[in-house]
Amino acid sequence: AAGVIQSPRHLIKEKRETATLKCYPIPRHDTVYWYQQGPGQDPQFLISFYEKMQSDKGSIPDRFSAQQFSDYHSELNMSSLELGDSALYFCASSSRMTGYEQYFGPGTRLTVT
Amino acid sequence: AQKVTQAQTEISVVEKEDVTLDCVYETRDTTYYLFWYKQPPSGELVFLIRRNSFDEQNEISGRYSWNFQKSTSSFNFTITASQVVDSAVYFCALSRGGDNYGQNFVFGPGTRLSVLP
Repeated sequence: AAGVIQSPRHLIKEKRETATLKCYPIPRHDTVYWYQQGPGQDPQFLISFYEKMQSDKGSIPDRFSAQQFSDYHSELNMSSLELGDSALYFCASSSRMTGYEQYFGPGTRLTVT
Repeated sequence: AQKVTQAQTEISVVEKEDVTLDCVYETRDTTYYLFWYKQPPSGELVFLIRRNSFDEQNEISGRYSWNFQKSTSSFNFTITASQVVDSAVYFCALSRGGDNYGQNFVFGPGTRLSVLP
């Protein structure tokens, strides 16, 4: 079965650079979520989109923005990167039709040097 | 506010021992969902189980079993006859239900399980 796809899987950036992470949800899933997991931490919710509209917002810094496109894929844009942004970024998708279970992608490991 | 507590930060057991991972949650919602995820050293989050707030039946899946008790707001996870491959960080998570579809998960801090050969 198709799963959530995230690209790139690994990304290395320098301080003050920008990064864009992409997420392709499971086909026919209408909701996308972004989480940030720092080293040794639990995943922290950043933002979610339902049918291309923002549905919930968590601890997303002002330097970050995200959107969901007409094909339901989502991008997380991160500017003025800081060392503390180094983390594993997960995307998850779900479908209102199939319930509340979120299916997670493999994650993008961002390292800021 | 929603909160998930996993009091056990790290647990070590010897292979073939049984181990129970505790999860206690707080929510004001009457409709909610509870989840367990496994995160092996490779980093991905592997879904294990979902339970909705109206279903208090315990569940068994192979060596895994879950005990959901609303009276104590707990959703504990037991691994029977543990194996080295069970070594991972296990997260309990809570999400809102009903009309709150699309809202985020709240994860517990995780329990790191080490199964020694």
